[in-house]
Amino acid sequence: QSVLTQPPSVSGAPGQRVIISCTGNSSNIGAGYDVHWYQQFPGTAPKLLIYTNSKRPSGVPDRFSGSKSGTSASLAITGLQAEDEADYYCQSFDIALGGSRVFGGGTKVTVL
Amino acid sequence: EVELVESGGGSIQPGGSMRLSCVVSGFDFSTTWMHWVRQAPGQGLVWVARINSDGSGTRYADAVKGRFTISRDNAKNTLFLQMSSLRVEDTAVYYCTRDGKGYYYDFWGQGTLVTVTS
Repeated sequence: QSVLTQPPSVSGAPGQRVIISCTGNSSNIGAGYDVHWYQQFPGTAPKLLIYTNSKRPSGVPDRFSGSKSGTSASLAITGLQAEDEADYYCQSFDIALGGSRVFGGGTKVTVL
Repeated sequence: EVELVESGGGSIQPGGSMRLSCVVSGFDFSTTWMHWVRQAPGQGLVWVARINSDGSGTRYADAVKGRFTISRDNAKNTLFLQMSSLRVEDTAVYYCTRDGKGYYYDFWGQGTLVTVTS
């Protein structure tokens, strides 16, 4: 059971917009801690996609965007492309139990 | 170019010990906090341990506390994870990750698979 909750899967046709939610609580996202997102293709290491809620590392296409509000955050992929099919994980910091970094369970994005 | 390369994984029996290594390059290792994150087969990501830049401060996930030890050799640009009393549930790909100074991980190694099986 992950501390942060994500939908197991989302899907969309090429060109569409999909949104992945990440829900936390008052000891993590709701406490003001930032949310970060990672993209992972099968058999490879995760890659930082969005950091500090909405910032993109160099090289990440601007069709990926992030936002945060209250106890949740979202990753939006606008203009979905076939190469976006991957697993996506949100991550934050949780002050409960001494403080640790926590992940969502991951969301599989399927391009129809 | 930032690079993190893990090694040391393999198959081991329950109760055994194993040491993972992560050699880094392309950044000032001695000033950077580092972490280990693991991923069980078909499962999500889980933070395991972290160490501060000079090795004087460490923290562990409850699941590994007392069994795993994170350490580093700044002269050799190498991060370690000593794992003992291994359990079947420790089976996972273990990733070495760099702390992005904002509670995130900005670079990841390719991972090394640890399989605990009888």
